[in-house]
Amino acid sequence: GQQVMQIPQYQHVQEGEDFTTYCNSSTTLSNIQWYKQRPGGHPVFLIQLVKSGEVKKQKRLTFQFGEAKKNSSLHITATQTTDVGTYFCAGPRAGTALIFGKGTTLSVSS
Amino acid sequence: DAGITQSPRHKVTETGTPVTLRCHQTENHRYMYWYRQDPGHGLRLIHYSYGVKDTDKGEVSDGYSVSRSKTEDFLLTLESATSSQTSVYFCAITALENTEAFFGQGTRLTVV
Repeated sequence: GQQVMQIPQYQHVQEGEDFTTYCNSSTTLSNIQWYKQRPGGHPVFLIQLVKSGEVKKQKRLTFQFGEAKKNSSLHITATQTTDVGTYFCAGPRAGTALIFGKGTTLSVSS
Repeated sequence: DAGITQSPRHKVTETGTPVTLRCHQTENHRYMYWYRQDPGHGLRLIHYSYGVKDTDKGEVSDGYSVSRSKTEDFLLTLESATSSQTSVYFCAITALENTEAFFGQGTRLTVV
């Protein structure tokens, strides 16, 4: 069945270092979404990418959607302690609901 | 935050008992979803609804049923709770298909 995979599962960085998480789908996606979940919290929408090769930036976060619309990445420049949490990618399942990757949990030490 | 409320927030129940979790939204969104979150598994879809009385199964629907009699309420029922259903349950809503999802605060369910 349709799968969305994320790597790495965990990443620890020193504050100020960069961080990247990768998302790969077994099928072509009409769009890809990214969410952030703080420890003990609920997932919060960050962004949606729709176009092939699309790149969007939100301050220190850069999101990319692959040319084939099967992969995506989230890059954080100069991580801060406020970036701690789990980052999920999600794509539309055949039908209606979003299918989520298992997430990448980021920890940051100062 | 979007107007989406889950109740209860925490529940401990015994194996074999029925449990109902409630999701209430004030956004008038058409689509509602129930996910469960477990370590190492991310968010997995249990059931979803695309309108009043219109529901469908997700990838982990066994042991769960849902009902949606009003736009604003989506109920998840565990007919006979098992320890494998210990999890954090999230409700989510979207206005349209495959658009930005808003999540509730979650319900932590423990089955003993």
